[in-house]
Amino acid sequence: GENVEQHPSTLSVQEGDSAVIKCTYSDSASNYFPWYKQELGKRPQLIIDIRSNVGEKKDQRIAVTLNKTAKHFSLHITETQPEDSAVYFCAANANTGNQFYFGTGTSLTVIP
Amino acid sequence: NAGVTQTPKFRILKIGQSMTLQCTQDMNHNYMYWYRQDPGMGLKLIYYSVGAGITDKGEVPNGYNVSRSTTEDFPLRLELAAPSQTSVYFCASSRTLGDQTFGSGTRLTVV
Repeated sequence: GENVEQHPSTLSVQEGDSAVIKCTYSDSASNYFPWYKQELGKRPQLIIDIRSNVGEKKDQRIAVTLNKTAKHFSLHITETQPEDSAVYFCAANANTGNQFYFGTGTSLTVIP
Repeated sequence: NAGVTQTPKFRILKIGQSMTLQCTQDMNHNYMYWYRQDPGMGLKLIYYSVGAGITDKGEVPNGYNVSRSTTEDFPLRLELAAPSQTSVYFCASSRTLGDQTFGSGTRLTVV
C-alpha cells in the first residue's frame, strides 16, 4: 500500500514568518493530495488539495506544491498568524483511488 | 444541512463487549469512510464505501465490520472490543474523490 511520511513533527515560527511542511509518498499512481488542519479536540478540516496534473496551487496565504518525479509535496503558509496554530496532516490516495493514507502530522505553533 | 453526524461522542466499553458507532450524512454523498486516530498519530482508514451496498477494507479493518444499506448511513461495528481499539473514530463523506467532510468524532475507551 501507500506510505506517506511527513516532516517535521513539530514546528514553531514567529508570527508573520512562513511555515513549510513536507510529505513524501511511495505510490507513483497516487493522484490526489489533500492537506487537513486539526485543532485540538476538533475534527480534521480540508484546507487545500492538489491533483497530480497540477504542480502548484494557492489559496490566499496557503499554497501546496507537488513534485511527481520526486514523489513529494509541501504545504506553505505565509504570514503566519496565531490562529494557524494546529496540527496539519497530509494525505495521499492509493492506486485504487479511494483509499487515503495520512502522514503522522505536524504540530505548528505560531508565537505571537 | 447537519453534515456528518456521529453518535455517540464518548463511550467506555469493557473488554469483550460489542457496540456500533453510528454515522449519518445528509449531503447525498456517495463516498463514506471510517478512520481511527490514535494519540499523536495520523488517521488510519478502517473501511470505506463508494455507494450503497458496496464496502471495502482499508488499512486496519481487523476487529471491525461495516454495512451500507442506504446512502445516508454507514455504521461501524466493533465485535469483542479490545484495549487496542481505544481510539478516536472519525466518519467522513465526500461527493466524489476528495474533499472529505468529517464528523466530530467518537472517543472510545476499552477497559
